[in-house]
Amino acid sequence: GAVVSQHPSRVICKSGTSVKIECRSLDFQATTMFWYRQFPKQSLMLMATSNEGSKATYEQGVEKDKFLINHASLTLSTLTVTSAHPEDSSFYICSARGLFSEAFFGQGTRLTVV
Amino acid sequence: GQQVMQIPQYQHVQEGEDFTTYCNSSTTLSNIQWYKQRPGGHPVFLIQLVKSGEVKKQKRLTFQFGEAKKNSSLHITATQTTDVGTYFCAGPPQGGSEKLVFGKGTKLTVNP
Repeated sequence: GAVVSQHPSRVICKSGTSVKIECRSLDFQATTMFWYRQFPKQSLMLMATSNEGSKATYEQGVEKDKFLINHASLTLSTLTVTSAHPEDSSFYICSARGLFSEAFFGQGTRLTVV
Repeated sequence: GQQVMQIPQYQHVQEGEDFTTYCNSSTTLSNIQWYKQRPGGHPVFLIQLVKSGEVKKQKRLTFQFGEAKKNSSLHITATQTTDVGTYFCAGPPQGGSEKLVFGKGTKLTVNP
């Protein structure tokens, strides 16, 4: 299947700092990318949907100023957690879809804010 | 908004027993997708069903999409320890939305 690379896989940051997570589709053009958050033993909660070149669409309850999403090209989307706090600690997963295709997931990023 | 419910939340079986997880959407889906997430891993796509009443098989796994395109099931025959993981269903609502709304998943454990 197609490959989606997510980086970094783990990050520990101090409270108040910002963290950027990258999601790349390596062998296909991702017209749409999704960002999910997964709490321990829970399902994936969709945070936002982004299409290349346009602003991301955020789900209700997700602060767009806190979780900045950029989808500058058909192969790269980034999620920046700004002014991170301990409650932002979670597992963040991106997924990418081409036209009429299933979603391919990145490996996820374990964020720990101390 | 659209909700996708999955039952059961947890299932423990002895190796060799069958297993079924059920998925119900509050809205009609354009398709249903199933993913498997191994402990510590990321979701991996298993299959997509598009047609009403569609049934697909992958070795010991049987996937079914309901006639109304609002429910689906995944059945595993004669489970093996390699089947351990959480199985998620997900689907975009009919009408062209790109969103994949996931169910909460069914965590399967298999005792050898």
